[in-house]
Amino acid sequence: DIVMTQGALPNPVPSGESASITCQSSKSLLHSNGKTYLNWYLQRPGQSPQLLIYWMSTRASGVSDRFSGSGSGTDFTLKISSVEAEDVGVYYCQQFLEYPRTFGGGTKLELK
Amino acid sequence: EVQLVESGGGLVQPGASLKLSCVASGFTFSDYWMSWVRQTPGKTMEWIGDIKYDGSYTNYAPSLKNRFTISRDNAKSTLYLQMSNVRSEDTATYYCTRAGGILRDWGQGVMVTVSS
Repeated sequence: DIVMTQGALPNPVPSGESASITCQSSKSLLHSNGKTYLNWYLQRPGQSPQLLIYWMSTRASGVSDRFSGSGSGTDFTLKISSVEAEDVGVYYCQQFLEYPRTFGGGTKLELK
Repeated sequence: EVQLVESGGGLVQPGASLKLSCVASGFTFSDYWMSWVRQTPGKTMEWIGDIKYDGSYTNYAPSLKNRFTISRDNAKSTLYLQMSNVRSEDTATYYCTRAGGILRDWGQGVMVTVSS
């Protein structure tokens, strides 16, 4: 199985500051078709997860442009510019290059 | 608006069976792969499996494939998860999600607690 490892944030993050969440995969998620099979989700407190970013860097419909995804084949970053109260929650990365699909352990964002 | 509504959870004894349902609306159910994902009390996300839009193909997490079965009824826009011989480690919130690799929409989740 592909292991997904997420980094921690230096919480709490001051409102208006930027935050970067890291995710590392045990195998390259870059396919020969040029696409990187990596998604990001946000789970706000008491809510279901929602899709933020897919194909490593494509924002899902309705997602603020304060969110951006980047990375290489095995190292990925979700950047949130100017953190707001609504960004609080747990962020998960997930690979879908291979079965079984696997998730990172989650990164909690708290606001100062 | 896409809606996914899970049901069928609750308290169940170890070794028992349970069937979860997910009724979908707001999209053409028969056009999409569907998946089940669970979240443990410790907030770990675990992918359970998915099913092709016509129900002809399924994939499972290796650790679960002998006990869990995913099926669908496109006429009823309903996804199912049959759980057998449940164990305490199956205690989790179970989510129905639209699509396969990219989990575009999630239900509100249904809790399953396995305890005697």
